Amino acid sequence: AQSVTQLGSHVSVSEGALVLLRCNYSSSVPPYLFWYVQYPNQGLQLLLKYTSAATLVKGINGFEAEFKKSETSFHLTKPSAHMSDAAEYFCAVRHTGGFKTIFGAGTRLFVKA
Amino acid sequence: GAVVSQHPSWVICKSGTSVKIECRSLDFQATTMFWYRQFPKQSLMLMATSNEGSKATYEQGVEKDKFLINHASLTLSTLTVTSAHPEDSSFYICSGVQEDNSPLHFGNGTRLTVT
Repeated sequence: AQSVTQLGSHVSVSEGALVLLRCNYSSSVPPYLFWYVQYPNQGLQLLLKYTSAATLVKGINGFEAEFKKSETSFHLTKPSAHMSDAAEYFCAVRHTGGFKTIFGAGTRLFVKA
Repeated sequence: GAVVSQHPSWVICKSGTSVKIECRSLDFQATTMFWYRQFPKQSLMLMATSNEGSKATYEQGVEKDKFLINHASLTLSTLTVTSAHPEDSSFYICSGVQEDNSPLHFGNGTRLTVT
């Protein structure tokens, strides 16, 4: 069975500081991995995806994530936080050959001025 | 990019009535559509998976007679909450996917309040 664990329900950083949101997955087969962002009362917007190509994936808004099979991790990073990055972030996993996507519990990012 | 339109964005209804939520993929054909429910400050809970022209597959614990899903075409899926009760109040989000390695594309969600 697949699962996703996001470490830290809340992360607070100062504007301009590094953003690191952690995600570990469990999957018996090579997975597809995704990061989504959700703003209040809205749906989810795709930030980036890993689908077995390059292990370092660049996404929108300056975010990137690295797939590390040995650590079963897919942490999301951004070198310099902006106030507009404050939102809820979800890591998700899906095994190849299927569409069912499992989401982590989410991490709320706060950005301090 | 792929766009999913979800309507209405919010709805208030009285207990005992039914509410229909529409989910349309505007610029792609969604082979499969998913319906999620999200409680405040929580993650998305998958309710059901629907494929065009076939019956939806419901997750364990989701009442299929209460949450009726119809996937009439490759671009339209509907969720009807029947005989709504206050405990059905929630944020419902649909999503569609086109092919295997493509991500889910989400609608903007529907805030349902049952009074």
